Amino acid sequence: GESVGLHLPTLSVQEGDNSIINCAYSNSASDYFIWYKQESGKGPQFIIDIRSNMDKRQGQRVTVLLNKTVKHLSLQIAATQPGDSAVYFCAESLQGGSEKLVFGKGTKLTVNP
Amino acid sequence: EAGVAQSPRYKIIEKRQSVAFWCNPISGHATLYWYQQILGQGPKLLIQFQNNGVVDDSQLPKDRFSAERLKGVDSTLKIQPAKLEDSAVYLCASSYGTGVSAFFGQGTRLTVV
Repeated sequence: GESVGLHLPTLSVQEGDNSIINCAYSNSASDYFIWYKQESGKGPQFIIDIRSNMDKRQGQRVTVLLNKTVKHLSLQIAATQPGDSAVYFCAESLQGGSEKLVFGKGTKLTVNP
Repeated sequence: EAGVAQSPRYKIIEKRQSVAFWCNPISGHATLYWYQQILGQGPKLLIQFQNNGVVDDSQLPKDRFSAERLKGVDSTLKIQPAKLEDSAVYLCASSYGTGVSAFFGQGTRLTVV
């Protein structure tokens, strides 16, 4: 199917800790994945992306890991800060046709000071 | 670089009334998306344009929703007549093409009473 889901709806961490947000996807044909951050009252903000020919990609304080064998995607945030508090979505791009972006339900990350 | 512009930011209407939303994508972006985001859920794609042509509108309730993208730049999304369940945030996004990251506007929060 075209579903993209997340294992945990909420995640609470202490400031300075590392955060790991997980995502499972169901379509093995998907070849492009994006992590978005959405703060209250704002549109989703691009964080990092990865294509299926890679298994890891790093950005500033963020790392995305892709495990195609189990169709799993994760976002790691290093040294989590209060400003990282938001809802995080993974989005899956389906090959063929329109390659539309399909979003999961999101994980709400709360960073405690 | 200016982001995706949307208007209005908020709209309250009564059921059975009509409403229209406007989107101006990032300059040069050929692909434009309209998403519906119900509170607590991930964005759901309504329609995707490539220039001024529709690429995917499989989840657009065509009996009441319509969208157009004249001249391949700005786009409008219309709902007529609105139902209570249309209350949501309507997000516009754009990208250089398919299979690349999409950038979102702030969204229009619609409340149908």
